[in-house]
Amino acid sequence: AQSVTQPDIHITVSEGASLELRCNYSYGATPYLFWYVQSPGQGLQLLLKYFSGDTLVQGIKGFEAEFKRSQSSFNLRKPSVHWSDAAEYFCAVRLSGGYQKVTFGTGTKLQVIP
Amino acid sequence: NAGVTQTPKFQVLKTGQSMTLQCAQDMNHEYMSWYRQDPGMGLRLIHYSVGAGITDQGEVPNGYNVSRSTTEDFPLRLLSAAPSQTSVYFCASSRGLAGGSNEQFFGPGTRLTVL
Repeated sequence: AQSVTQPDIHITVSEGASLELRCNYSYGATPYLFWYVQSPGQGLQLLLKYFSGDTLVQGIKGFEAEFKRSQSSFNLRKPSVHWSDAAEYFCAVRLSGGYQKVTFGTGTKLQVIP
Repeated sequence: NAGVTQTPKFQVLKTGQSMTLQCAQDMNHEYMSWYRQDPGMGLRLIHYSVGAGITDQGEVPNGYNVSRSTTEDFPLRLLSAAPSQTSVYFCASSRGLAGGSNEQFFGPGTRLTVL
């Protein structure tokens, strides 16, 4: 069965420190990969996406993610975290072609301490 | 562009009541979806539509109905509310391009409590 795993439920980092959020997927083929951010009481906003080509993708708000086919991973990174980055982050995957169900991970809640 | 709009933002129901959650998008997107978000479970797909007049079930469809009479609107109906339907509901839309990125745009959500 297709699945997306975000192993870290909650992460705390200091402001200015680097960040890496993990995402692993289990699909038969390389899917389309997404990272979304959800601020408290808000909807989901797309940070970045990967379809093909360069395995390192840049997104908004200074985030980047690297697709590693051999590890079935799509980890999100940011070199220096700001207090405003405190939110919940969701990794999502879908297959290509027409309507394909998007499968979301269970989310990682990021806390930023001063 | 308003994007994806949802009403109401908050709703409290009693067990057995029915109601409709509204969703509208002004981006002329073909695909629309309803998700529910519960703590520790991410987002789960309830129903989706690939165009006006075409709907299908997602992974948690029981207790919900949908219809899609226009491209813009995709209402979600709770037939007889149960406490297990207490959740935050998100509507999303995307373009219907085969092989395209089909990025989903999300509404702000409806927080539903069933007593």
